[in-house]
Amino acid sequence: DAGVTQSPTHLIKTRGQQVTLRCSPISGHKSVSWYQQVLGQGPQFIFQYYEKEERGRGNFPDRFSARQFPNYSSELNVNALLLGDSALYLCASSLTRVETQYFGPGTRLLVL
Amino acid sequence: AQSVTQPDIHITVSEGASLELRCNYSYGATPYLFWYVQSPGQGLQLLLKYFSGDTLVQGIKGFEAEFKRSQSSFNLRKPSVHWSDAAEYFCAVGARGSTLGRLYFGRGTQLTVWP
Repeated sequence: DAGVTQSPTHLIKTRGQQVTLRCSPISGHKSVSWYQQVLGQGPQFIFQYYEKEERGRGNFPDRFSARQFPNYSSELNVNALLLGDSALYLCASSLTRVETQYFGPGTRLLVL
Repeated sequence: AQSVTQPDIHITVSEGASLELRCNYSYGATPYLFWYVQSPGQGLQLLLKYFSGDTLVQGIKGFEAEFKRSQSSFNLRKPSVHWSDAAEYFCAVGARGSTLGRLYFGRGTQLTVWP
């Protein structure tokens, strides 16, 4: 079975631009979570979606938004990019909100 | 608030030596506990998890971890390290209650293995 997939793998943007990152969960998984991993740090929780509804939001500004589609795939959007948004963005999927989360390879975003 | 502390930023061991990576957490109830491993440029791979029951859990690649409630610890161990174990290791706490489903990560321990 395919694991969690994310696209694109790498992205370069300039300050003020907007970016959309995509995630496809493991087949049968209904929950998707997004994490930001800044270099040298552990991942930080951004959002969790379950059954297409937002079920949790971390301490991130409103510039960050996400959604989950009927096929359980998800998009993370970041508006008005700042240099500090440069990071590895990880998507994780799980059967339900409490089950083990399995991570994708991430999207590395560089903001110049 | 939930938090995870990995006190060792970097550990170096010789191939074949034993390994213990430390993890302490702060959480009001019994959490879900995880260890993940990350190779350079990669996502996170699950090594093992603790939800309930037996406090000594076995994982992949010969790793094990022990949940000690009295010490709020969940240390990762391996009796004999292989060169391919060199990577970054993250301990994570999964919350229950109002923040159900979130994982809180430590800052990671970088493992270097000498041949």
